[in-house]
Amino acid sequence: EAQVTQNPRYLITVTGKKLTVTCSQNMNHEYMSWYRQDPGLGLRQIYYSMNVEVTDKGDVPEGYKVSRKEKRNFPLILESPSPNQTSLYFCASSPTGLAGGTGELFFGEGSRLTVL
Amino acid sequence: GNSVTQMEGPVTLSEEAFLTINCTYTATGYPSLFWYVQYPGEGLQLLLKATKADDKGSNKGFEATYRKETTSFHLEKGSVQVSDSAVYFCALSDLGPGTYKYIFGTGTRLKVLA
Repeated sequence: EAQVTQNPRYLITVTGKKLTVTCSQNMNHEYMSWYRQDPGLGLRQIYYSMNVEVTDKGDVPEGYKVSRKEKRNFPLILESPSPNQTSLYFCASSPTGLAGGTGELFFGEGSRLTVL
Repeated sequence: GNSVTQMEGPVTLSEEAFLTINCTYTATGYPSLFWYVQYPGEGLQLLLKATKADDKGSNKGFEATYRKETTSFHLEKGSVQVSDSAVYFCALSDLGPGTYKYIFGTGTRLKVLA
């Protein structure tokens, strides 16, 4: 089954404790992206990647890191989480890549993160 | 910069009522436009899309027409069902040299009462 898988789905952590949210897709998509969803703000893009080893900042990249060493994986790293990073996070992928296009986004089920 | 504005919710309707959720955008160039739907506890999924002016996207009884002259992409459905209760997001794809971003509206929550 074609899907985007995120883990963990739920996490409660404390300020400053490094964490990684994994994202994997099995559709051979070039494009992957991370979003955070907050009430009243909709989805805001954190980082995106147009292909392996090609990443770029979205609209709210502060406090986050990403890497794209393999096509299927795009982990989101919070080196020193703070309470303002409490949010619902979504990973997404698309067949759109360096070749351009208008492909739809395929979303994971979300990871709810609470930073105390 | 590019942006998407959609109507505030929540929108509460009775079953079989007509639905309109307004969406307007600002963009340079010719973005593609999308409507995504998020059911409770789930990720977003594509509802419909349109890639050029005057295109009409449709799916599951929902429709939206890409209106370049009014920079709008309003979502409509003639007769809503309880199962349509969800959050709806309007979005555009922002293509540029070396960049490919999606920009989302803030979402509109729809509640349909039996």
